[in-house]
Amino acid sequence: ILNVEQSPQSLHVQEGDSTNFTCSFPSSNFYALHWYRWETAKSPEALFVMTLNGDEKKKGRISATLNTKEGYSYLYIKGSQPEDSATYLCAFDLNTGNQFYFGTGTSLTVIP
Amino acid sequence: GAVVSQHPSWVICKSGTSVKIECRSLDFQATTMFWYRQFPKQSLMLMATSNEGSKATYEQGVEKDKFLINHASLTLSTLTVTSAHPEDSSFYICSALNNHEQFFGPGTRLTVL
Repeated sequence: ILNVEQSPQSLHVQEGDSTNFTCSFPSSNFYALHWYRWETAKSPEALFVMTLNGDEKKKGRISATLNTKEGYSYLYIKGSQPEDSATYLCAFDLNTGNQFYFGTGTSLTVIP
Repeated sequence: GAVVSQHPSWVICKSGTSVKIECRSLDFQATTMFWYRQFPKQSLMLMATSNEGSKATYEQGVEKDKFLINHASLTLSTLTVTSAHPEDSSFYICSALNNHEQFFGPGTRLTVL
């Protein structure tokens, strides 16, 4: 079983604050790292697929970086809004989308 | 695009009954779908990989006779929890593979009394 860790487990921030959280994964046999945003009672929404060491991707106020040599990815949210409140999951992809290992997620609450 | 539905959203059943959960890819065809289970405060754990037209591949420790998977078409996979018991109460979620990415349904909360 591969160990994928996310930290912190939960986070409360004030509206307007910027925040970041971490996903750690094995540095060997890497294919891709996926980030999802998961709101209660909805489907997890794909945010980013990171494949290359040094990758940096951005979607609006959310961005992510990848370091495959040391086995971590950061997710950043700039100027958090209440609608950003969700659980953010990362999944280590061992094999072209066919083998995912998930972290336990970071639960973000943005306080208005 | 890449929408996956899952039904039912929640189900309560008596011990000993069987429950079927459906996973559908609505706007794409999925040769491969996945079934996950999540216990409280734990990560999504893969139960099995469902392949259209062939037998599912189960992860170690998952009983194939307990969790029956059928993937009879390119848009539908079903998971049947047979003779459910309280310890099967959990959150079950499916995903469908499209262009090397997994797209998820909203999940099913199963409670077995």
